[in-house]
Amino acid sequence: AQKVTQAQTEISVVEKEDVTLDCVYETRDTTYYLFWYKQPPSGELVFLIRRNSFDEQNEISGRYSWNFQKSTSSFNFTITASQVVDSAVYFCALSEGGDRSGGSNYKLTFGKGTLLTVNP
Amino acid sequence: DTEVTQTPKHLVMGMTNKKSLKCEQHMGHRAMYWYKQKAKKPPELMFVYSYEKLSINESVPSRFSPECPNSSLLNLHLHALQPEDSALYLCASSLSGTGAWTEAFFGQGTRLTVV
Repeated sequence: AQKVTQAQTEISVVEKEDVTLDCVYETRDTTYYLFWYKQPPSGELVFLIRRNSFDEQNEISGRYSWNFQKSTSSFNFTITASQVVDSAVYFCALSEGGDRSGGSNYKLTFGKGTLLTVNP
Repeated sequence: DTEVTQTPKHLVMGMTNKKSLKCEQHMGHRAMYWYKQKAKKPPELMFVYSYEKLSINESVPSRFSPECPNSSLLNLHLHALQPEDSALYLCASSLSGTGAWTEAFFGQGTRLTVV
């Protein structure tokens, strides 16, 4: 069974601080996919990144960066120079490779989410 | 266009009412999903449609009835709901499964209150 753990329930920072959101996952599959989603108060889940299990390259997109380490089963997310607009709940999620015709790869297992509050 | 549109945005219904939630996407995605999200919890998968056929039903009570009239539309028919069914209902779509091909795109959700 797959599992995603986001140990940080809430984080509060002051604007311009850097902040790292932790994500640890468990899966028995060798092929799997990891995601980060942002959920602002409006409710919509906004896709941020997808990473497959064979690609351990770290990625940077503007102020966002992701550190994927298979050795520790972690996929951490860092926001550099945080802004008030970054305030949201952030979810890490896992999808196993599974059967392309309709099996487990349709299921996203979400972590419990981390509420990030960036104060001015 | 990476938009999933859900209507209505808010819905209040009595326990004897029948209502429907609607979801629409025009990205050519062939998988569509319904998720339920309670306050301060992650989304929970309810149903998956793949190529307009029900692929996954996560043991959802029959008072929730999904329907996929065509590849762009997904409905969720509600009947005889309970107050504990009050939640944010999220629709999502993906090209096929959430894996090598693509991620899931979510709508803004319908905030449902059952009174």
